[in-house]
Amino acid sequence: DTEVTQTPKHLVMGMTNKKSLKCEQHMGHRAMYWYKQKAKKPPELMFVYSYEKLSINESVPSRFSPECPNSSLLNLHLHALQPEDSALYLCASSKTREASPYNEQFFGPGTRLTVL
Amino acid sequence: GESVGLHLPTLSVQEGDNSIINCAYSNSASDYFIWYKQESGKGPQFIIDIRSNMDKRQGQRVTVLLNKTVKHLSLQIAATQPGDSAVYFCAENRRGNQGGKLIFGQGTELSVKP
Repeated sequence: DTEVTQTPKHLVMGMTNKKSLKCEQHMGHRAMYWYKQKAKKPPELMFVYSYEKLSINESVPSRFSPECPNSSLLNLHLHALQPEDSALYLCASSKTREASPYNEQFFGPGTRLTVL
Repeated sequence: GESVGLHLPTLSVQEGDNSIINCAYSNSASDYFIWYKQESGKGPQFIIDIRSNMDKRQGQRVTVLLNKTVKHLSLQIAATQPGDSAVYFCAENRRGNQGGKLIFGQGTELSVKP
């Protein structure tokens, strides 16, 4: 199984809502990532989890709260978002650099988020 | 600042022709490079990768060339097909990050004319 799944596919939320994005992989990867992608732009790294611990936070606002409950799951909790947060949110997974220095990242299909 | 960039934002080719997509990088410490294809409404899909100790790597209809002297990477697609229409991103993997921090280029949109 070389698939990363993400739910929901689409999400529309108001600025006062609380919602969560979910990501799952069963490739045994111990590194998982959240990216944000605006239209016609490259993915921008938000967070990296390694062995279920947050290892990189790219100065992301606190209204985005990641969580890695186990080695297969990654969540992104959303609260009090702004319209400019509307984007495609991508999850990815890979082996850790300790397991393999050449760590191809596998991406999910993304969640298309619209903040009203 | 350091970046991974592409020379052309769009590329239009005739079906059956070969396509060449270019990428420049500036961090000589990068040891691994990946090309991703992203179709509309989908996540990036791995195409091919190359390690810094290699100059060339071939896959099915695709070839990646790495020139470390001028810090240049290219993706060649042979006999381009309509299904190849997508945005192509190069990405470099920099040393020193436990999770493997990928830095993406700006992307090239490939359009294949029938």
